[in-house]
Amino acid sequence: EPEVTQTPSHQVTQMGQEVILRCVPISNHLYFYWYRQILGQKVEFLVSFYNNEISEKSEIFDDQFSVERPDGSNFTLKIRSTKLEDSAMYFCASSEYRGEGEKLFFGSGTQLSVL
Amino acid sequence: AQSVTQLGSHVSVSEGALVLLRCNYSSSVPPYLFWYVQYPNQGLQLLLKYTTGATLVKGINGFEAEFKKSETSFHLTKPSAHMSDAAEYFCAVTRMDSSYKLIFGSGTRLLVRP
Repeated sequence: EPEVTQTPSHQVTQMGQEVILRCVPISNHLYFYWYRQILGQKVEFLVSFYNNEISEKSEIFDDQFSVERPDGSNFTLKIRSTKLEDSAMYFCASSEYRGEGEKLFFGSGTQLSVL
Repeated sequence: AQSVTQLGSHVSVSEGALVLLRCNYSSSVPPYLFWYVQYPNQGLQLLLKYTTGATLVKGINGFEAEFKKSETSFHLTKPSAHMSDAAEYFCAVTRMDSSYKLIFGSGTRLLVRP
C-alpha cells in the first residue's frame, strides 16, 4: 500500500533555531496537511495545503510556521524560531480528494524536541 | 463546535475477550466519525469511518463501530482481542464541509494480556 513518509523520525534542536520537517505525500494526492500531538494531549490540526497555497490554518499556525511544496514530491513544515512549547510529534497527511469523508493517509511522524 | 471524548486513557483486556473502546462526540451538524489506530513507531491508520447510511460500520482487523445519534456515541468493538491489537486508538469527528480537519479525541491505549 502506498504510504506517506516523513523525515527525520526524531529531531532535536535548540530553542530559537529553525527546523524543517519533511514529508513525501502519496504521489497522486493533491491535498496535504500537518497535524501535531504534544505529549499527553490530543492530535491537533495545523494546516491544509492545496494547489500551492494554504487552504486553512488553525490558530496554532502563527507566523513562526510556514509550509511549502518546493518540488513535485516534498511537502515541508518550517518553524522559524522554535520555542519549548513546539516540542511535539508532527504528522504529515495527504489525501486524493477533499470531499465526503475522504481518507487521510498519515505518516509515522517526526518527534521534535526543543531544548 | 465539535469535540470528541474518549472514556478511559487505558483499557486492558485478555486475549480473546471483547474489546470495547468508548467514544462520544459533540457536533452541531451531522458528523463524520472515524477511528484511527496507531501502532508503536507508526503513523495513524484508518480503521473505519461513518459518513452516511448504515450506522453499523465494519473496518479492518475485525473491528466495527456503531453510530448512535441518540447517544452521540461511536464506540469501537471487536469480539475477540488479539495480542496484535495492542495499540493506541483515536476517535475523530469532522464535518462534511471540512472533512479534512479532524478533531481527535485524546486516545485510548489498548493493552492485551496473554
